Amino acid sequence: GAVVSQHPSWVICKSGTSVKIECRSLDFQATTMFWYRQFPKQSLMLMATSNEGSKATYEQGVEKDKFLINHASLTLSTLTVTSAHPEDSSFYICSARDLAGGLNNEQFFGPGTRLTVL
Amino acid sequence: AQSVTQLDSQVPVFEEAPVELRCNYSSSVSVYLFWYVQYPNQGLQLLLKYLSGSTLVKGINGFEAEFNKSQTSFHLRKPSVHISDTAEYFCAVISASGGSYIPTFGRGTSLIVHP
Repeated sequence: GAVVSQHPSWVICKSGTSVKIECRSLDFQATTMFWYRQFPKQSLMLMATSNEGSKATYEQGVEKDKFLINHASLTLSTLTVTSAHPEDSSFYICSARDLAGGLNNEQFFGPGTRLTVL
Repeated sequence: AQSVTQLDSQVPVFEEAPVELRCNYSSSVSVYLFWYVQYPNQGLQLLLKYLSGSTLVKGINGFEAEFNKSQTSFHLRKPSVHISDTAEYFCAVISASGGSYIPTFGRGTSLIVHP
């Protein structure tokens, strides 16, 4: 299957700083990328849908000014957690969907990024 | 809107025993169904999916699932588990209408295989 990478895999930062997480589709082009947040022992919560070249669509309750998403190319989307606080500590997972879209083009998930805010 | 219920938060089982992880869904329209596996500190990997056709779906690592429309279920089964199957398993559903194809995930079931 297709490969999606995330960088970094683990990041620790001080409260008040900003952190950028990258999501790349390595061997396919992704018009759509998704960002999820996962709390310990819980399911994935969709934060936003990112379409290449346009603004991201945020789910209800997700602060778009706090979680900045940029999808500048067909292989790269970034999530920036601005002014991070301890409650932002979580596991962030991205997924990417192949260019052709549709249900037969499944989402491929990245390995996740664990963010710890001190 | 659709929803997914995974009835068991944790399923302990001995190695080489069979296992069933339960998943029920609710939706007013037709759905597509998926099972994903997540190993510790990793992303999700697709185990299997039901889109149409045969209701018995075979996936990777010896897993299979059966779509039961009347019971709105999509239970995951494996006849003989290994220690390496210890992981978190997520059931997901996508609505057949709308075209966005964004999955709704269940809360997950932690499969713990004991030697």
